[in-house]
Amino acid sequence: DQQVKQNSPSLSVQEGRISILNCDYTNSMFDYFLWYKKYPAEGPTFLISISSIKDKNEDGRFTVFLNKSAKHLSLHIVPSQPGDSAVYFCAASSTFSGSARQLTFGSGTQLTVLP
Amino acid sequence: EPEVTQTPSHQVTQMGQEVILRCVPISNHLYFYWYRQILGQKVEFLVSFYNNEISEKSEIFDDQFSVERPDGSNFTLKIRSTKLEDSAMYFCASRGTGGQPQHFGDGTRLSIL
Repeated sequence: DQQVKQNSPSLSVQEGRISILNCDYTNSMFDYFLWYKKYPAEGPTFLISISSIKDKNEDGRFTVFLNKSAKHLSLHIVPSQPGDSAVYFCAASSTFSGSARQLTFGSGTQLTVLP
Repeated sequence: EPEVTQTPSHQVTQMGQEVILRCVPISNHLYFYWYRQILGQKVEFLVSFYNNEISEKSEIFDDQFSVERPDGSNFTLKIRSTKLEDSAMYFCASRGTGGQPQHFGDGTRLSIL
């Protein structure tokens, strides 16, 4: 099942620089997208989301961009901090699947922020 | 901040035995979910639960699986006769109404011997 793809398994950036994590999707019915952060031995923690009616959503250091025509979204973290080092998952859901809105996850990107 | 809690954190069970994984969702949430992540693979949806019944389930959620909300706070996943391939991290999640995001517990690592 490759409906949500994160093609970069890992990314390293210097502290203070921008981190850009990418995600592609194939299912045109997806209309709600989320980013989760996961530390080892913990569950995914919600970071930020975006509805398909928007192309940008910002929350502090985190901004998510959505390009519907390209079926692509990205998460920008600026400035990056060592505490941001974690696995980042992109997830998508569809209101057309009913009210449950189950999530389809990407495979994750391990972000390492170097001090 | 309210959180989803899961017990136990690690469960070791012999193949063929029944196992029950427990979750306490966030108290005012209405939608409840189970996901699993086999080592090295993606997080996969198993089942969603709303208004005391299953609302969606995946192909993985076969007759060996069941869910229950036995009281006003707990949400359980039962695997009736475990197989080796059921070994995975199982995550419970819950969310409120509308477009609110799902919030996840820290998971139960299930090891089938």
